[in-house]
Amino acid sequence: EIVLTQSPGTLSLSPGERATLSCRASQSVSSRYLAWYQQKPGQAPRLLIYGASSRATGIPDRFSGSGSGTDFTLTISRLEPEDFAVYHCQQYGDSPRTFGQGTKVVIK
Amino acid sequence: EVQLVESGGGLVQPGGSLRLSCAASGITFSPYAMSWVRQAPGKGLEWVSAISGSGGTTYYADSVKGRFTISRDNSKNTLYLQMNSLRAEDTALYYCAKDSGWYYGSGSYMDYWGQGTLVTVSS
Repeated sequence: EIVLTQSPGTLSLSPGERATLSCRASQSVSSRYLAWYQQKPGQAPRLLIYGASSRATGIPDRFSGSGSGTDFTLTISRLEPEDFAVYHCQQYGDSPRTFGQGTKVVIK
Repeated sequence: EVQLVESGGGLVQPGGSLRLSCAASGITFSPYAMSWVRQAPGKGLEWVSAISGSGGTTYYADSVKGRFTISRDNSKNTLYLQMNSLRAEDTALYYCAKDSGWYYGSGSYMDYWGQGTLVTVSS
């Protein structure tokens, strides 16, 4: 199965700063089938990005995804207070679907 | 508005059984594949099982294969997960999620999630 490794584990930033989250796969993710989810405490994950770079419905354009093969990035251009959360990457090009362990974005 | 509401979680002894349900509203349920994903306390997300829109094809993680059974009733817009021979390591919050496509695989991703139902396996 494809193992996804997210880095860093925790990212400490201030509102207005740029956040760059990494997701590295143990083997190539076919057809860029990579998604990003945001999860806040006590809430279900929310789809942000699919197909490595396509924003889901209603997601602000400060969120962007990029990458291919084994290296993917989620960028939040300017952090808003509501963006402090845990972010998960997930590949759906190979079975079983697998997730990274998450990156927690905290207020500095 | 898409709503997925899970139910059926609770405390069960090791070796016991539970049946989870997920009621869907705000969507045309039948064409879409559906999945179950779990999250153990303080841990990451783990995909558990998926079922095609027709219900004819099912998929399981190795960790639950032979113990869990996924099914759906399209007339009731409801997804199920029958969990047998439960173990302590099955303790988790179980989410149901709608797929973007009709089949697991083929580039279908999970686009809407419920709030989850908690399963605790303990004596």
